[in-house]
Amino acid sequence: GDSVTQMEGPVTLSEEAFLTINCTYTATGYPSLFWYVQYPGEGLQLLLKATKADDKGSNKGFEATYRKETTSFHLEKGSVQVSDSAVYFCARPSGYSTLTFGKGTMLLVSP
Amino acid sequence: DTAVSQTPKYLVTQMGNDKSIKCEQNLGHDTMYWYKQDSKKFLKIMFSYNNKELIINETVPNRFSPKSPDKAHLNLHINSLELGDSAVYFCASSQQGQNTEAFFGQGTRLTVV
Repeated sequence: GDSVTQMEGPVTLSEEAFLTINCTYTATGYPSLFWYVQYPGEGLQLLLKATKADDKGSNKGFEATYRKETTSFHLEKGSVQVSDSAVYFCARPSGYSTLTFGKGTMLLVSP
Repeated sequence: DTAVSQTPKYLVTQMGNDKSIKCEQNLGHDTMYWYKQDSKKFLKIMFSYNNKELIINETVPNRFSPKSPDKAHLNLHINSLELGDSAVYFCASSQQGQNTEAFFGQGTRLTVV
């Protein structure tokens, strides 16, 4: 079935470090791909998305490129801040209008 | 002008009680969902409604009963609460169809004691 696999956390970084969170998806159809972020005590917010192969989604300094050849959608940021500490979820559509999420990766950024 | 709002934010109750969580969206979406997030942050779809009709009902105990009085509301009623029901429950909405993003409420943290 449709699934998403992302790296386990927590990922612990110092401020201004480079971030990569890996995400791969099952290649059924040509899904849009999403990254959501969940800050402590809050709901999920859409961070960025890409709708077709080679698209790059970007927002708030985060980027992810839809790679069909490697079925990947890795999240990157060149310089993380303490305020980026959150749980990040990769997601893809599954069935009728629903999203299947990866297990989430917690990011902890220290000053 | 909250897009997806759910109440209450926190709910502490005893085993065996019945409780409800309410959800409303003002985005004009025709599809609404309930997701459950466990203590390890894993998110799992419970129900999906489109235009007040049940579309998806994952393997959820029948103690959980969603109700959609109109397109903008999707409530979740839980009977005979058990310790294992403790989790964060998220309501979400989206436009109908695949490849559309979902908008989430703030979540309801349910604790059964």
